[in-house]
Amino acid sequence: GNSVTQMEGPVTLSEEAFLTINCTYTATGYPSLFWYVQYPGEGLQLLLKATKADDKGSNKGFEATYRKETTSFHLEKGSVQVSDSAVYFCALSEGMMDSSYKLIFGSGTRLLVRP
Amino acid sequence: NAGVTQTPKFRVLKTGQSMTLLCAQDMNHEYMYWYRQDPGMGLRLIHYSVGEGTTAKGEVPDGYNVSRLKKQNFLLGLESAAPSQTSVYFCASKIPGELFFGEGSRLTVL
Repeated sequence: GNSVTQMEGPVTLSEEAFLTINCTYTATGYPSLFWYVQYPGEGLQLLLKATKADDKGSNKGFEATYRKETTSFHLEKGSVQVSDSAVYFCALSEGMMDSSYKLIFGSGTRLLVRP
Repeated sequence: NAGVTQTPKFRVLKTGQSMTLLCAQDMNHEYMYWYRQDPGMGLRLIHYSVGEGTTAKGEVPDGYNVSRLKKQNFLLGLESAAPSQTSVYFCASKIPGELFFGEGSRLTVL
C-alpha cells in the first residue's frame, strides 16, 4: 500500500543553519505531496504542497520539490530560526487531490533550533 | 474565526469507561476526519465522513464509533476505554488540497 517514510529525529540545529528533512514515498498513480508543521501544543498546519512531478512548493522560506524519479519530497530551508522549532510531517494524498479524502502521514521529524 | 474546535482538550478515564469527543467546524466543509497521534507513528486515520449522515472506517477503527448527525459536528465515541487508546486525538475538516486541524484532545486511559 501507499506509505511515507521520514528521517528520524530529533534534528538539532543552530540558528541560521541549513535544514534538510528527508521524505520518500511509495504510491501507485500520481499522489499529491504535502508538508505539515505542528508547533508545540497546537494542531497540524499545512506548510506547503505539490500536486505533480517537478512542482516546487514553498512557504515561509521552506521549499520542497516533488521528485517522481526518486519518489522524494525533501523539505529544505536555507536559514532556520528558533521559531521554526516544531514537528514536521510529510504526507501524501491518495487519488486526485480534488476528490481524495485521505492523507497518509509519515511519522514526523522533530526540529529543535538553538539560539 | 473558530475553524475546527475540539472538546474536551484533556481527559483521564479508567479502563472500561465511555466518553465522547466532540469536533465542531464552522467552515461548512463536507469532509471530516478523526486521527490519533502516537509517538513515532505519525497520524493514523480512525474514521472519516464525506458528508452529513455518512461515516466510514479508516486505518485503525476498532474500539471507536462515530456519528455525523449534523454537517458541522463529528463525534468520536469510546464505548469501553482501554489503555491502548491513550493518545492525542485530532479532528480535521477538508477542502480540496488542504486539511484543517483542531488543537487536539489528550486522552489518558488508566
